[in-house]
Amino acid sequence: AQKVTQAQTEISVVEKEDVTLDCVYETRDTTYYLFWYKQPPSGELVFLIRRNSFDEQNEISGRYSWNFQKSTSSFNFTITASQVVDSAVYFCALSDDYGNNRLAFGKGNQVVVIP
Amino acid sequence: DTGVSQNPRHKITKRGQNVTFRCDPISEHNRLYWYRQTLGQGPEFLTYFQNEAQLEKSRLLSDRFSAERPKGSFSTLEIQRTEQGDSAMYLCASSFLAASTVGTQYFGPGTRLLVL
Repeated sequence: AQKVTQAQTEISVVEKEDVTLDCVYETRDTTYYLFWYKQPPSGELVFLIRRNSFDEQNEISGRYSWNFQKSTSSFNFTITASQVVDSAVYFCALSDDYGNNRLAFGKGNQVVVIP
Repeated sequence: DTGVSQNPRHKITKRGQNVTFRCDPISEHNRLYWYRQTLGQGPEFLTYFQNEAQLEKSRLLSDRFSAERPKGSFSTLEIQRTEQGDSAMYLCASSFLAASTVGTQYFGPGTRLLVL
């Protein structure tokens, strides 16, 4: 069974600070996909990034960056120079490469950016 | 390019009543998913369709729940004889499944259900 763990529940940062969210996953699949979604107070889940299991290259996209380490089953996400608009719940999710591709979500990290 | 839409956005009902939610996916997407999210938790998978075929249902989907996707376009999720435990946000997502790639799921705004 697939499982995603996000240990931190609420994280508060002062505006312009960086914030890193931890995600640890479990899967028996050799090929899988990892995602980060953002859920602002309005409730809609917004897709942020996606990474497949056979590409461990870490990337930066604007103020977002991620650190994928297969050896430790971790997929951490960093927001650089946080802004008030970044205040939201962030979910890490895992999908297999075949069949239903359903997403298994963690419990989420509530990020509060203080102006 | 419009995103996934869901109606209604909010629904308040009395226990025992039936409710129906609608989801309109992104037009070219052939897969459609339903998830349920309760307060403080991540979304949980309920069911999914590939075109008009419902291919899997979670154990969370009791006999009171039924979903359809006629003609492979919009989908409806009906809950019969609602219970207070059904109170949650119901999220719809769609994706495009091609031969060689897993599509990213894009979510709608959700329907928030409150059963009194």
